[in-house]
Amino acid sequence: QKEVEQNSGPLSVPEGAIASLNCTYSDRGSQSFFWYRQYSGKSPELIMFIYSNGDKEDGRFTAQLNKASQYVSLLIRDSQPSDSATYLCAVNFFGNEKLTFGTGTRLTIIP
Amino acid sequence: ETGVTQSPTHLIKTRGQQVTLRCSSQSGHNTVSWYQQALGQGPQFIFQYYREEENGRGNFPPRFSGLQFPNYSSELNVNALELDDSALYLCASSAPAKGRDSPLHFGNGTRLTVT
Repeated sequence: QKEVEQNSGPLSVPEGAIASLNCTYSDRGSQSFFWYRQYSGKSPELIMFIYSNGDKEDGRFTAQLNKASQYVSLLIRDSQPSDSATYLCAVNFFGNEKLTFGTGTRLTIIP
Repeated sequence: ETGVTQSPTHLIKTRGQQVTLRCSSQSGHNTVSWYQQALGQGPQFIFQYYREEENGRGNFPPRFSGLQFPNYSSELNVNALELDDSALYLCASSAPAKGRDSPLHFGNGTRLTVT
């Protein structure tokens, strides 16, 4: 059973601080890793994807991948109240044509 | 460029009924995937269609079926609705290069409520 694990939260972070969201996955053969943001009542919105070990930065967001530890994280710098949402980690396991999602981490930015 | 569009946005059905949800893929995308997201859960893969043929299926019973049309739009059909089918149904289309080169972008979803 291929699984993606996230801490469900809620995670509360002061405005302007760094929010750190973590995700582990079960299969070392995993190829692609995605972070989605989902506001309440809305559909998930892709914010980052990463394929290779290391860091990938896009504006205030940084995705970090460590395949040896089967760990992917998302850092949000200078957190804003508009970042308050549920963040979903998704993994494309090798040989599959589907994404496997975690249950999401609810993030609240405190003004 | 037009994104993925889904219809209807909301739907209320009675247990035992049948429902059809529709999805128009993004221009140039020939792969459509359907996901079910129950409240408080992550999306669960239902199935994927590539060039009008089913290309992978998740752990859903046969009463969940689909179609893809020559213009790459797609339908999700659910027969004999159960209360647990109440969820947000998400459609995503992706570019011809499959797998790791195809980040999925979801439509706005259809909220199905079964009473």
